[in-house]
Amino acid sequence: AQKVTQAQTEISVVEKEDVTLDCVYETRDTTYYLFWYKQPPSGELVFLIRRNSFDEQNEISGRYSWNFQKSTSSFNFTITASQVVDSAVYFCALSEVSGANSKLTFGKGITLSVRP
Amino acid sequence: SQTIHQWPATLVQPVGSPLSLECTVEGTSNPNLYWYRQAAGRGLQLLFYSVGIGQISSEVPQNLSASRPQDRQFILSSKKLLLSDSGFYLCAWSSPAGYNSPLHFGNGTRLTVT
Repeated sequence: AQKVTQAQTEISVVEKEDVTLDCVYETRDTTYYLFWYKQPPSGELVFLIRRNSFDEQNEISGRYSWNFQKSTSSFNFTITASQVVDSAVYFCALSEVSGANSKLTFGKGITLSVRP
Repeated sequence: SQTIHQWPATLVQPVGSPLSLECTVEGTSNPNLYWYRQAAGRGLQLLFYSVGIGQISSEVPQNLSASRPQDRQFILSSKKLLLSDSGFYLCAWSSPAGYNSPLHFGNGTRLTVT
């Protein structure tokens, strides 16, 4: 069975600090996709990134970076120089290979609070 | 561009009353559609998904049901709500391309059963 663990439940940092959100996953599939979503206080989930299991290159997008390590089944997310607008709940998710749909298994989310 | 609309935004219903939440997608054809529930302090749980009109798959046994009467319309229903049905309900769509397609979510419906 698929499983996504986000061991950190709440993180509080001061603006401009760097913060890393951890994600560990379990799957028996050799091909899979990993995702990160952001849920601001307004409630909607915003898609941030997708990574496939064959691409272990780290990715940087502005202040965001992702570190995918298959050896440790981890897909960690780092926010550099955090800002108050980064305050949100962040979800890591894993896709299930089940034909024509994208059934995602989500972690329980990490609540990030960035204080001014 | 594709958009997803979900309504109502908030709903307060008494125990035992019926429920109908609606979700529509624009700007795409034959999307995969999903209903997720987010209970307080917990992650997102997949309730139903659909790969086509009239095709519904249920992930968890419960007193909720889903229907897809049109290609881009997805409805979540209940005949009699329970207190445990309270939560944040999110509709989502993805491309029919497969498991690598990201989900795109609506703004959600916050349901409180009293």
